Amino acid sequence: KAGVTQTPRYLIKTRGQQVTLSCSPISGHRSVSWYQQTPGQGLQFLFEYFSETQRNKGNFPGRFSGRQFSNSRSEMNVSTLELGDSALYLCASSLDDREAFFGQGTRLTVV
Amino acid sequence: AQSVTQLGSHVSVSEGALVLLRCNYSSSVPPYLFWYVQYPNQGLQLLLKYTSAATLVKGINGFEAEFKKSETSFHLTKPSAHMSDAAEYFCAVTGSGTSYGKLTFGQGTILTVHP
Repeated sequence: KAGVTQTPRYLIKTRGQQVTLSCSPISGHRSVSWYQQTPGQGLQFLFEYFSETQRNKGNFPGRFSGRQFSNSRSEMNVSTLELGDSALYLCASSLDDREAFFGQGTRLTVV
Repeated sequence: AQSVTQLGSHVSVSEGALVLLRCNYSSSVPPYLFWYVQYPNQGLQLLLKYTSAATLVKGINGFEAEFKKSETSFHLTKPSAHMSDAAEYFCAVTGSGTSYGKLTFGQGTILTVHP
């Protein structure tokens, strides 16, 4: 059974640009969540999607957005990138909200 | 709102010694609790979970944790550390109601294992 797949693994972007990260959940999982991990702030919840609807949202500015498609794949977008957006972005999928399976993450570097 | 506190950002043990990583939680309702491990440049791997069944939970790689409601704790232990246990460990709690899909993490504990 394939795990959670995140693409790309590494990204380098320039301040002011936008970026789109992709996450393919485990087959059959309808919930997809996104987290940002930085050395200073640790792991912080961005948002969660369930059956194409945003179910929960963390405390991030509107530059951070996401969506989920009918096949449960999810994307997150960050517009007008800032240096502070440099982080490891983790996606997790869940079948029943009792166990989240994480992908390898996308390492975003903003220069 | 749920919160998690991990006591000790760094823990160092000798190979073969007891591993004890501390986690205290705050939750207004009976929580689901988790321990995850993260190796460098990797995602999070679930070690074990508490979902209101047995209070002593056994996980992978010889780890276990005990849920103590009176102490609001969920400490992670392993009787004998192995070099391969060196990693960062995160305790997490789920939200409640429609926020079950949201995990709140502790700040993490880096475990170092000395030969």
